Amino acid sequence: EIVLTQSPGTLSLSPGERATLSCRASQSVGSSYLAWYQQKPGQAPRLLIYGASSRATGIPDRFSGSGSGTDFTLTISRLEPEDFAVYYCQQSVTSPGTFGQGTKVEIK
Amino acid sequence: EVQLVQSGAEVKKPGESLKISCKGSGYSFSSYWIAWVRQVPGKGLEWMGMISPGDSDTRYSPSFQGQVTMSADRSIRTAYLQWISLKASDTAMYYCARLGLGSDHWGQGTLVTVSS
Repeated sequence: EIVLTQSPGTLSLSPGERATLSCRASQSVGSSYLAWYQQKPGQAPRLLIYGASSRATGIPDRFSGSGSGTDFTLTISRLEPEDFAVYYCQQSVTSPGTFGQGTKVEIK
Repeated sequence: EVQLVQSGAEVKKPGESLKISCKGSGYSFSSYWIAWVRQVPGKGLEWMGMISPGDSDTRYSPSFQGQVTMSADRSIRTAYLQWISLKASDTAMYYCARLGLGSDHWGQGTLVTVSS
C-alpha cells in the first residue's frame, strides 16, 4: 500500500498570502494518478486537481498543482477567505487509492 | 448535471446489519467506477474500495476486505455499501464518489452511528 505523507499538518496564514502544501509518496505514483481535494466542515470533499497539475472544472486559477514521482505540491497563490479548509492528496495508481492525512489551512 | 444522492442517516445497534445506497444521475452510470470513502468524526479520509457498476468488478482496501460488501444495481443506477454485523467502530460518515478524472463528483454523505 502506498503511504502519502502531507506536510505541514497545519498552516496558519492570512488572507492574500501564498499557501504551499506538500504531499510525499512512499513510492512513485507517476504524475497521472495524484489528486488534491478540499474539504470544508460539514461538506463532502471537492476535487481541485487531478493528474497532479490539471484543475478540475470550475476551480479558480489561484489553485495549482505540480510534481511527479514521489513529491507533489499544491499551491494557493493568494488565499481567499473561502480557501480556509482541510486539503487532502490522494493516489490512484494502485488499489487501494490511499489519501494523505490532510493539511489544515487556518486563518492566522 | 451529474449527481450522486446518498441515503439518509442511520442509527443502529452493534451486531445489526445495514445497507446504504448511492444513486447516480446525469451520466452513464455503468461507465464509471464508484468509490466508497469513510471519515470517522474529526479524522481524515479513508479509501474503502470501489465497484464498477457495469460488471460489478470490486476492489477492496485490505483494511475493509471482509468487513463490508459493495454491490451495484445498474438497472436503477444505484451502488450499495453493506454491513452484516455493525460495530461501534463503524460509526462514521460514508461518502460515495464517481471515479472520473479524480473523484470528480461526490455524494452528500451518509452518517452511520452505531451505539448500544
